[in-house]
Amino acid sequence: AQSVTQLDSHVSVSEGTPVLLRCNYSSSYSPSLFWYVQHPNKGLQLLLKYTSAATLVKGINGFEAEFKKSETSFHLTKPSAHMSDAAEYFCVVSDRPPPGGSYIPTFGRGTSLIVHP
Amino acid sequence: EAQVTQNPRYLITVTGKKLTVTCSQNMNHEYMSWYRQDPGLGLRQIYYSMNVEVTDKGDVPEGYKVSRKEKRNFPLILESPSPNQTSLYFCASRGPGRGTEAFFGQGTRLTVV
Repeated sequence: AQSVTQLDSHVSVSEGTPVLLRCNYSSSYSPSLFWYVQHPNKGLQLLLKYTSAATLVKGINGFEAEFKKSETSFHLTKPSAHMSDAAEYFCVVSDRPPPGGSYIPTFGRGTSLIVHP
Repeated sequence: EAQVTQNPRYLITVTGKKLTVTCSQNMNHEYMSWYRQDPGLGLRQIYYSMNVEVTDKGDVPEGYKVSRKEKRNFPLILESPSPNQTSLYFCASRGPGRGTEAFFGQGTRLTVV
């Protein structure tokens, strides 16, 4: 069974300061992990993904995430927030499927990133 | 351009009036799914399909139907909509393998009065 917990429903930062969005997961196997971003009135866009290669993953728009198996975490970071980063962010886990099954993702509840000027 | 197209983008309807939200993808993906998004609850899966004529229930299937007669299309059907189905709906498709990401449609905002 798989699950994902986004530890903060809202994160507020000032423009130019670092961003940290926290995600913990539970998985019976070696999972694939994703971060998606959703801007207001838009669909979801992939930021980055981890699929058992390098544990530090670089994504679009300067975002990074580090897979830490010992902590079952996949936190999303960015060194310096921009106003355009204000959006909803979703952490997603996808476990090994049952025989004959498919990789079915589980979404976290989302973290709303607020960026102040 | 690879894309998932949903229609309509916005829909207001009355309780009990059947409606269909269409979803089409042009990436030849086998896996498609429907989600609803509600404040504080994130995205919850309604139904998914792993191939033509193969569909299965997700976490919140009550009140919804789907069909998968062709690979590219995966319509969501509300036979008798109720106000608690007022939500933002997303269709997604994905290629095979554990590391492939999902591609999402732009969403359909449904209001049932």
